Amino acid sequence: NAGVMQNPRHLVRRRGQEARLRCSPMKGHSHVYWYRQLPEEGLKFMVYLQKENIIDESGMPKERFSAEFPKEGPSILRIQQVVRGDSAAYFCASSPGVTGGFIQYFGAGTRLSVL
Amino acid sequence: GQQVMQIPQYQHVQEGEDFTTYCNSSTTLSNIQWYKQRPGGHPVFLIQLVKSGEVKKQKRLTFQFGEAKKNSSLHITATQTTDVGTYFCAEAAGNKLTFGGGTRVLVKP
Repeated sequence: NAGVMQNPRHLVRRRGQEARLRCSPMKGHSHVYWYRQLPEEGLKFMVYLQKENIIDESGMPKERFSAEFPKEGPSILRIQQVVRGDSAAYFCASSPGVTGGFIQYFGAGTRLSVL
Repeated sequence: GQQVMQIPQYQHVQEGEDFTTYCNSSTTLSNIQWYKQRPGGHPVFLIQLVKSGEVKKQKRLTFQFGEAKKNSSLHITATQTTDVGTYFCAEAAGNKLTFGGGTRVLVKP
């Protein structure tokens, strides 16, 4: 009965490299959300996906950031050409949708450090 | 857009004492959820309030939703060291959570 699985837990990248963050939702959950948390701040919504569809990407930066949730496999948050300001904790959450009362279950997060 | 404000930002509490953290919005909230995040951890769902004036209790934690549905509070009695962490309120609307900035709770033994 695994929860939301995120990997890697920690990721170090140099400026200009690419970062790929993975998220496998809880079993039976088809809704995935990505949030970013800067130190000492709250979580900020980035994107909401269902299988093969981006439903709401209103929180995603316009450039360098992309997300997908393919038919098979985990959801991926991709950050191209990382900059120091991308250093943050990135949390994935999943939910069963409306039937779950909008409650979201969070993974342990990926802490990205950009050198 | 919708903003949810939390006060205080930091709360230093003596072990055994009570404290309250508040969540405020300038507009009516459809619901309010509360999460706890331990240092270095991830947010964990605590409770959801939907009805005006609703009050729910979980052991030493009491959650309240204001009559006008513009504010909420979390009251913890007899604080323990296990209560250390950041408490976030959030509104679930439009398929996403809008979080407040959180109240960081430090407990002095």
